Amino acid sequence: DAKTTQPPSMDCAEGRAANLPCNHSTISGNEYVYWYRQIHSQGPQYIIHGLKNNETNEMASLIITEDRKSSTLILPHATLRDTAVYYCIVRVANRGSTLGRLYFGRGTQLTVWP
Amino acid sequence: EAQVTQNPRYLITVTGKKLTVTCSQNMNHEYMSWYRQDPGLGLRQIYYSMNVEVTDKGDVPEGYKVSRKEKRNFPLILESPSPNQTSLYFCASSLSGGAYEQYFGPGTRLTVT
Repeated sequence: DAKTTQPPSMDCAEGRAANLPCNHSTISGNEYVYWYRQIHSQGPQYIIHGLKNNETNEMASLIITEDRKSSTLILPHATLRDTAVYYCIVRVANRGSTLGRLYFGRGTQLTVWP
Repeated sequence: EAQVTQNPRYLITVTGKKLTVTCSQNMNHEYMSWYRQDPGLGLRQIYYSMNVEVTDKGDVPEGYKVSRKEKRNFPLILESPSPNQTSLYFCASSLSGGAYEQYFGPGTRLTVT
């Protein structure tokens, strides 16, 4: 699985957009980009994933550069409850894969302040 | 409600006293997994199971056992716990090993003295 690089910490004002970057310059053509978050020692929570195209769901948007070497997770209107560690993970995703493990790096500690 | 449950949530025990941490999911998922989380080391996979009676080692399996007799349950067994197994443990499940989304339990904080 490709390695990812994320800033260790970021701040964001409540109500503003939080833009969390991730570099994955060695990503392979069949590897997806995933984002999970972990709120203070709770179980990690899936946020979103993508392969090439930008994706949006009720939680966030994922912007992947054209060369796929980096991506940005966008929380459009951050709230205090979004304070968490955010993990960017790249891995293959196909139904028959036995490689279900997720490699969590150090992630980015996002602090949303009032 | 779709969920992964773990019990107990907190446990303090002594070296050598066998213990089991239970994990159950109600989503009919094929894939289940155990992770441990330690400061500075992130989450590391201990064991995983692709389906009933199919289990395999993850990155840090030493000192642990698992079983998968039923699809919904995946207990983690520590036959002879040691202080270096003091950690925060998470169970996770997903539709398949290659599925996009994994669901995590709330965690079990284990202290071995």
